[in-house]
Amino acid sequence: NAGVMQNPRHLVRRRGQEARLRCSPMKGHSHVYWYRQLPEEGLKFMVYLQKENIIDESGMPKERFSAEFPKEGPSILRIQQVVRGDSAAYFCASSPPARGSNEQFFGPGTRLTVL
Amino acid sequence: DQQVKQNSPSLSVQEGRISILNCDYTNSMFDYFLWYKKYPAEGPTFLISISSIKDKNEDGRFTVFLNKSAKHLSLHIVPSQPGDSAVYFCALPHGSSNTGKLIFGQGTTLQVKP
Repeated sequence: NAGVMQNPRHLVRRRGQEARLRCSPMKGHSHVYWYRQLPEEGLKFMVYLQKENIIDESGMPKERFSAEFPKEGPSILRIQQVVRGDSAAYFCASSPPARGSNEQFFGPGTRLTVL
Repeated sequence: DQQVKQNSPSLSVQEGRISILNCDYTNSMFDYFLWYKKYPAEGPTFLISISSIKDKNEDGRFTVFLNKSAKHLSLHIVPSQPGDSAVYFCALPHGSSNTGKLIFGQGTTLQVKP
């Protein structure tokens, strides 16, 4: 029973390029969350998605960032025209469809480095 | 605004002794509280949780205490083991929405010395 999978684990981009981060939730989980961890800080919520729907994107920067969770395939966090300040660890988490389950299961993260 | 605070960035204890990690929150609407443990280069792993209707929850060596009036929770690890060395985060599901997003503290790095 595989856990939450994220790829790539490490991603290096130059300023101005695009970064695509992928997340496959645990089997049977239909809720996906993206968090960002800057150095020496805690995890900060970015976006919460269910299949084909963005439920809460209150933590997403207004520009350059987007997320999707299509009917088929993994969830994608996309960062356009990356800047050095985007360098961080990006974690995806998933939870089962039943409400009342507050526990979220995290993937290993993608470490983005912007040169 | 920092809704969840872990004021101690680091803690060092001797193997076999008790580790106490603290977490304070500002919003009384939080009604469920979680602790996560994180090793370097890995994602956070759920450790233990507590509902606001309780003031204590125990799971083996790990106990979480909740003081609602003080808006304070703590994680006790006893006896501490070297393998417990990690970063510990308290995390609170956002109380006033139904989105399930977690609000994390900044984390406390625990080092257990053999």
